[in-house]
Amino acid sequence: QSVLTQPPSVSGAPGQRVTISCTGSSSNIGAGYDVHWYRQLPGTAPKLLIRGNTNRPSGVPDRFSGSKSGTSASLAITGLQAEDEADYYCQSYDSSLSGSLFGGGTKVTVL
Amino acid sequence: EVQLVESGGGLVQPGGSLKLSCAASGFSFSGSAMHWVRQASGKGLEWVGRIRSKANSYTTAYAASVKGRFTISRDDSKNTAYLQMNSLETKDTAVYYCSRQVGTTPHNWFDTWGQGTLVTVSS
Repeated sequence: QSVLTQPPSVSGAPGQRVTISCTGSSSNIGAGYDVHWYRQLPGTAPKLLIRGNTNRPSGVPDRFSGSKSGTSASLAITGLQAEDEADYYCQSYDSSLSGSLFGGGTKVTVL
Repeated sequence: EVQLVESGGGLVQPGGSLKLSCAASGFSFSGSAMHWVRQASGKGLEWVGRIRSKANSYTTAYAASVKGRFTISRDDSKNTAYLQMNSLETKDTAVYYCSRQVGTTPHNWFDTWGQGTLVTVSS
């Protein structure tokens, strides 16, 4: 069971805005450790989407944005497009585990 | 081109062993912390463990689910990381990815991933 909790699925119509939450605890996100987001298409490796809570790597559209507050973080996708259908994972570090951990993943469906 | 290529996956019986390799190219492997992440079919990503660089004493850390059974090592002269898996169980069946962690702090992100190698534990 993941220590970082994400909703299993979110959906939206093309052009809409969706958000994915990532809820942790005082030993990970709440301890000040950064949250990173990855997108994974079926049958492929994960790809970095957001690093350091809010920063987009080169090539990631500005439709994707990240935020963090307290023991939670969020990924927002605005102007939803069909190509955004994928699984999204948050990742952070946990001091009690002394290692990295991932959220359970959220499947985004474009209606 | 920055690249990671895993190899060594396959079918193994419960209780058996397998060693995965992760060949790196296009970046300073010796200065990078390397991680292993696995994904069972239809499931989410699970962090397996990591090995830090020589500058950080090659320290390792493991998920509780594999601690004592799996060992991560590296050979900087070959730009390769390894995952030795012993006492394998059916629940270890998954695609195993290696990834590079940016920077030297343990809470940085993974910017490069391999294509994954499938490990199937079955009798």
